[in-house]
Amino acid sequence: AQSVSQHNHHVILSEAASLELGCNYSYGGTVNLFWYVQYPGQHLQLLLKYFSGDPLVKGIKGFEAEFIKSKFSFNLRKPSVQWSDTAEYFCAVNSENTGNQFYFGTGTSLTVIP
Amino acid sequence: SQTIHQWPATLVQPVGSPLSLECTVEGTSNPNLYWYRQAAGRGLQLLFYSIGIGQISSEVPQNLSASRPQDRQFILSSKKLLLSDSGFYLCAWRRSLNEKLFFGSGTQLSVL
Repeated sequence: AQSVSQHNHHVILSEAASLELGCNYSYGGTVNLFWYVQYPGQHLQLLLKYFSGDPLVKGIKGFEAEFIKSKFSFNLRKPSVQWSDTAEYFCAVNSENTGNQFYFGTGTSLTVIP
Repeated sequence: SQTIHQWPATLVQPVGSPLSLECTVEGTSNPNLYWYRQAAGRGLQLLFYSIGIGQISSEVPQNLSASRPQDRQFILSSKKLLLSDSGFYLCAWRRSLNEKLFFGSGTQLSVL
């Protein structure tokens, strides 16, 4: 079945540690890829997005993600996390093969310990 | 377990026609409910959210309205659709502001 998979459900890191959250999708054709973040008590907001061009995408707050087409992956990275990065992170895919429907992964909860 | 239902999956409507998109949540009570829109080339935009029956907060002034006639039912409406209302609409819920968000399957709306 077509899906968006986030294998890390809950990640706990110390401040200054490096972060990588996995996202894999199974949709074919042209895809648009997104990472969203939901901070505690706040609404969802866009971290970064990939539509075309350079597969390494820079987002807000020092986040980046790399689109690897051969691996159907769009992993989120940050070299050094801060306590304020504690949040829920969602990967999402929008594919022309699915009639432009928009699919979310189940989310990864990140806790950063000071 | 909790589930969220959103319908229809796709909808094609003429300009000036009314709109009604429905979202229901099962397996929980008093959820926080949300309507988002994904326009072409943009990220998700929060349209409305509700923390209880009859309590609706609007984030963006527009041609749309929302209602919550029952605890687990959230409806997105318009009296007269505009071309700019085309997009992907997503319903979501969570237990409280500090808990995880769960999404419906979305509605692709095309206004012609």
